[in-house]
Amino acid sequence: DAGVIQSPRHEVTEMGQEVTLRCKPISGHDYLFWYRQTMMRGLELLIYFNNNVPIDDSGMPEDRFSAKMPNASFSTLKIQPSEPRDSAVYFCASSPGGVGYEQYFGPGTRLTVT
Amino acid sequence: GENVEQHPSTLSVQEGDSAVIKCTYSDSASNYFPWYKQELGKRPQLIIDIRSNVGEKKDQRIAVTLNKTAKHFSLHITETQPEDSAVYFCAVLSGSARQLTFGSGTQLTVLP
Repeated sequence: DAGVIQSPRHEVTEMGQEVTLRCKPISGHDYLFWYRQTMMRGLELLIYFNNNVPIDDSGMPEDRFSAKMPNASFSTLKIQPSEPRDSAVYFCASSPGGVGYEQYFGPGTRLTVT
Repeated sequence: GENVEQHPSTLSVQEGDSAVIKCTYSDSASNYFPWYKQELGKRPQLIIDIRSNVGEKKDQRIAVTLNKTAKHFSLHITETQPEDSAVYFCAVLSGSARQLTFGSGTQLTVLP
């Protein structure tokens, strides 16, 4: 298996633009997680899905952020409109057993909003 | 919610020495404690984990100890090597929460 796949790897956009990050989990993993990593706030969970259903979105910072998982092999995290403070590395991770088991992280998307 | 504190934030050791990183947590019902390693510019990767029914777990040069009474757990790396240099994160799955809470990370530097 190729592991968790994320695209794009780098994204530079201007404030106010819409940004869409994409993730393909490892086949057979029922759980998918979206994290944001910054120097100031560390690694934060934004939202996670189980069998394509959002379970906990309490970490989503505000209404500008939305996430979907239309099927077992694809998820998106959208920011609209983007702001400079959204600049961070966004990781997607998947797990075969749930929150209490190993999470396999993707390579991340480095987002820069100017 | 769960409060996880990790210390130290930075740690430098000589190659061959041991390194110890400690995390404390607040929820006594917490039951899963993983450690992740993140090299510069790379993704976090699980290196070892422990559950609340076990006091210690070892995997070659890495070990984790858990003290449920004191609500802390520690990562021990023996015979450190330069490739151990990375940021290490602890995490806690509390009894009531349905998500991991991560510590703030420890930058470990192994000096040759």
